[in-house]
Amino acid sequence: NAGVTQTPKFQVLKTGQSMTLQCAQDMNHEYMSWYRQDPGMGLRLIHYSVGAGITDQGEVPNGYNVSRSTTEDFPLRLLSAAPSQTSVYFCASSADLSKNIQYFGAGTRLSVL
Amino acid sequence: AQKITQTQPGMFVQEKEAVTLDCTYDTSDQSYGLFWYKQPSSGEMIFLIYQGSYDEQNATEGRYSLNFQKARKSANLVISASQLGDSAMYFCAMVGTALIFGKGTTLSVSS
Repeated sequence: NAGVTQTPKFQVLKTGQSMTLQCAQDMNHEYMSWYRQDPGMGLRLIHYSVGAGITDQGEVPNGYNVSRSTTEDFPLRLLSAAPSQTSVYFCASSADLSKNIQYFGAGTRLSVL
Repeated sequence: AQKITQTQPGMFVQEKEAVTLDCTYDTSDQSYGLFWYKQPSSGEMIFLIYQGSYDEQNATEGRYSLNFQKARKSANLVISASQLGDSAMYFCAMVGTALIFGKGTTLSVSS
């Protein structure tokens, strides 16, 4: 019973490098989202998707791109990493948009040097 | 704009005692949902409990209950009979037109 799977668990980047954080869910959930968690800030929504082919911005979208070509996958792309993007990133999915109870992946800890 | 406020950075309780974690919210939406999540030191986010704005009864899930006071815009989490494994960060969250989280409360349970 995999649920929401995020890869990698840890990543170190140099400033200016690009990378993609992977997120996959096997629960056939329509709603998926990406958050970042910084000390003292709680979780902040980066981007979300209500279904394949549909994405929208959250609270802190700058510097990140997303796409949703399938129901299962929702990758997060950093085009040119900056030290301010050092954070823990969580992917989440939800089946019921009325309640939107989100189930989270284990997180990706990213450091940008 | 929607806002979640958790005013207790840290709480300390002894095993078997009950503890209340505070959460207040602000929204102009008529329909919304309130959640609590637990984040242990291992880092994962664990869903605990949900309360809908139109639910007349307070939500309960085992040792967790949500004390929902709509007029006061509060959604406090009550944990009965605390256990050592309850030591974690707890986040209050709200969904309406957006999904937002509070900054969290660290709960420490001692024996």
